[in-house]
Amino acid sequence: ILNVEQSPQSLHVQEGDSTNFTCSFPSSNFYALHWYRWETAKSPEALFVMTLNGDEKKKGRISATLNTKEGYSYLYIKGSQPEDSATYLCAFDNQAGTALIFGKGTTLSVSS
Amino acid sequence: ETGVTQTPRHLVMGMTNKKSLKCEQHLGHNAMYWYKQSAKKPLELMFVYSLEERVENNSVPSRFSPECPNSSHLFLHLHTLQPEDSALYLCASSPRGNSYNEQFFGPGTRLTVL
Repeated sequence: ILNVEQSPQSLHVQEGDSTNFTCSFPSSNFYALHWYRWETAKSPEALFVMTLNGDEKKKGRISATLNTKEGYSYLYIKGSQPEDSATYLCAFDNQAGTALIFGKGTTLSVSS
Repeated sequence: ETGVTQTPRHLVMGMTNKKSLKCEQHLGHNAMYWYKQSAKKPLELMFVYSLEERVENNSVPSRFSPECPNSSHLFLHLHTLQPEDSALYLCASSPRGNSYNEQFFGPGTRLTVL
């Protein structure tokens, strides 16, 4: 059974704080790691697709790193804003088929 | 907006009802997916269609019946559901042949089975 774990399950920060979350995945048969951002009542929206060990990707104040050898990825948000409040999902792709294996997500709440 | 739409957004049905969920994408994608999200669980893949053929059925009970009449539309037909089937049902699409399986999601249908 392939497991993707995300931590913390939820967190609450103040506007302006920087924060980070973790996604752990199997270190064998790695193909890609996806990060999605999911606001309440909206569609999950792709943030990053990461494929190479050591990858770092950035979109505005959000960035992510990837370590395929030890099986983890970090998502960082710099200077959190209330509009960053959402659930952040990671999904592991081992190329075994078509399925992405999702974690339960980290729910971020940012107070102004 | 991701370009994937789902209707209805909310559905309440009895255990003896028959209903259908609809998903539509006009992104030119040729693979479509149904996922289920139950409370406090990760997204679970239910079905995958590629070029209108079902290529994956993740041990889903037969009371869920998918249909993909063309590459832009995907349905999930529901009959004699159980209360534990209450969940958020998400549709996604991707361009098969896309190396990294990036999937585009709809907003989901919130289903309640009474």
